[in-house]
Amino acid sequence: DTEVTQTPKHLVMGMTNKKSLKCEQHMGHRAMYWYKQKAKKPPELMFVYSYEKLSINESVPSRFSPECPNSSLLNLHLHALQPEDSALYLCASSQDFRARDSPYNEQFFGPGTRLTVL
Amino acid sequence: AQTVTQSQPEMSVQEAETVTLSCTYDTSESDYYLFWYKQPPSRQMILVIRQEAYKQQNATENRFSVNFQKAAKSFSLKISDSQLGDAAMYFCAYIDYGGSQGNLIFGKGTKLSVKP
Repeated sequence: DTEVTQTPKHLVMGMTNKKSLKCEQHMGHRAMYWYKQKAKKPPELMFVYSYEKLSINESVPSRFSPECPNSSLLNLHLHALQPEDSALYLCASSQDFRARDSPYNEQFFGPGTRLTVL
Repeated sequence: AQTVTQSQPEMSVQEAETVTLSCTYDTSESDYYLFWYKQPPSRQMILVIRQEAYKQQNATENRFSVNFQKAAKSFSLKISDSQLGDAAMYFCAYIDYGGSQGNLIFGKGTKLSVKP
C-alpha cells in the first residue's frame, strides 16, 4: 500500500469555525509533512513530524495546530482562519526524515484537502 | 541558500512527440537528490523520476528520462511519446542534508499541455 489518504477532500469554513484535516498512511513511514499550496504555485512546507515529534515548524501562524497522535496519523487543527488561508493542503510521508539514503527520502503525497475560508 | 529555477512557466507538446522541461538549481552541497514531480489537474502530486547527485548515469523511467549535468547544475526532464495523460504541472525539486536540512525545495513549476 503506497497510499496517503486525506479527509475531507473539500472543506468550507467560516472565520470563527474550528475544523480539522486528517492524513493517514500505512506504509510504516516515520516522517509526515503538511504543505500549503496556492493555485499555480509550488507547495510550501508548514510542518514536519519525525517519529511523532514536531521537527520543523516553518513559522506557521498559531491558528494552524498540527498533531501526530501516532505514526500513521497526522492532523491539522484549524481555528480562526483568514480568507487568505484558502488553499490546497497537502500531506506527505517518507520513510525517514533527513535520511541520506535515497529510498528513505522519497515523499509520497496525498490528494489534498481544498480549503475555502469565507 | 539552495534555489531551484524552472524558466518555462508553460510548455506545449503534440501527442506522440517529445518535450523537454528545464530545471536549474544552485547549491554548494556535493551530496543531494533531485526529483521531478507531476501534479495533474486532479491535484495528487506523483513522483516521476529521481536522480542521486553522486550517480553519473542519467535516470530513466519508461518514457521519462533526465539529462543531469552536475557541473552546470542542470536537471532537465525529457518526456518521449507524449500522451494526453502527461498534461500536468511539473515541479522540479531538490533535497540535501546540509543547508536545506532535509526539506524539499521546489521550483515554481512548468504547466505542460498535450495537444491531440
